[in-house]
Amino acid sequence: NAGVTQTPKFRVLKTGQSMTLLCAQDMNHEYMYWYRQDPGMGLRLIHYSVGEGTTAKGEVPDGYNVSRLKKQNFLLGLESAAPSQTSVYFCASSYGQEQFFGPGTRLTVL
Amino acid sequence: EDQVTQSPEALRLQEGESSSLNCSYTVSGLRGLFWYRQDPGKGPEFLFTLYSAGEEKEKERLKATLTKKESFLHITAPKPEDSATYLCAVQASGSARQLTFGSGTQLTVLP
Repeated sequence: NAGVTQTPKFRVLKTGQSMTLLCAQDMNHEYMYWYRQDPGMGLRLIHYSVGEGTTAKGEVPDGYNVSRLKKQNFLLGLESAAPSQTSVYFCASSYGQEQFFGPGTRLTVL
Repeated sequence: EDQVTQSPEALRLQEGESSSLNCSYTVSGLRGLFWYRQDPGKGPEFLFTLYSAGEEKEKERLKATLTKKESFLHITAPKPEDSATYLCAVQASGSARQLTFGSGTQLTVLP
């Protein structure tokens, strides 16, 4: 099993550009999450999904959108990137209470 | 609002020098407290879940304990490969399993 994978690993954007981060899991987990990690602030929840076709806002959802069209995939979109969105983004999935994390995407917005 | 505070922010130990990391929390009904390990450039790796005060769990040189207000991660006779950032997180009752994380303790074990 590959577990949780994220695409791409690195990305540099200019302010105003858009992009989509892809998260895929092969563990048949119902729950999926997107976090961002910034120095000194820990991981903060952006959006989450409790099942295929459902999404909900987390702690810091502004500027992001998500979709969960297939159970195994959870997409995070930035419609108009801003420098404040420079961060490392982690996807996670869970069946029980423990969450399993992907390797992260490092995004820089210039 | 759920809050998690970890201390110290950074800790340097000599190999074999035992110590403890602290995680203080406030939550509206605790469903679970989680410890993760994160290596540089990688995603967090699950270590333990604790559910109720008095509970303890062990894995190799690590032992996690829980009270009603805080959790400790005890590291006994650490080795350089234990160097990592250790993250604490809480999950509140009634939540859709969301985690609230602390900012972590960066542990360095010197040979």
